[in-house]
Amino acid sequence: DTGVSQNPRHKITKRGQNVTFRCDPISEHNRLYWYRQTLGQGPEFLTYFQNEAQLEKSRLLSDRFSAERPKGSFSTLEIQRTEQGDSAMYLCASSLEGKETQYFGPGTRLLVL
Amino acid sequence: RKEVEQDPGPFNVPEGATVAFNCTYSNSASQSFFWYRQDCRKEPKLLMSVYSSGNEDGRFTAQLNRASQYISLLIRDSKLSDSATYLCVVGLRETNAGKSTFGDGTTLTVKP
Repeated sequence: DTGVSQNPRHKITKRGQNVTFRCDPISEHNRLYWYRQTLGQGPEFLTYFQNEAQLEKSRLLSDRFSAERPKGSFSTLEIQRTEQGDSAMYLCASSLEGKETQYFGPGTRLLVL
Repeated sequence: RKEVEQDPGPFNVPEGATVAFNCTYSNSASQSFFWYRQDCRKEPKLLMSVYSSGNEDGRFTAQLNRASQYISLLIRDSKLSDSATYLCVVGLRETNAGKSTFGDGTTLTVKP
């Protein structure tokens, strides 16, 4: 399978714990995006990388959220001190520079108890 | 006001019907436009890009009206398998290639 992959697919955690999600983009794609989606809403942009550089972060992204893409390939999204409001589907997408089409992974569904 | 607005529906139509969805966007600098399809509890998948001249892909036709800042999607001869949520997506290609803004989607249910 050469699509975007995300791990884990599901995560249940207790409030206050830290969680980390991983995204492996399509191999030749140099752009990587993180989104959050809650029920009944469209995906909400969180942050975006071009290669290893994080070029934009949403103003809505609190300082508890951090994302990295150290070698310009896979990316991790960490949420520190999780809150119940962080419960959502976290989607990763990738694209090729010059092509606007984004390809999404299956998402990581987070439930904070 | 949201940057991208869609009628949430739901649209319930019989098989074979023609159905149209509209989407409005607020940023006049927007340069790229798409329709994505999202099945229940699945990831969004690109349905089609939307070009200024309008474009068609089989039973699906997309139109862009820059003056009025809206995008439409027309589905002809709807099939049961068309049941899904349709997401309108707008991007600022020239100034901010990374960010795309999604609408909250329009839900379509096609019934036998």
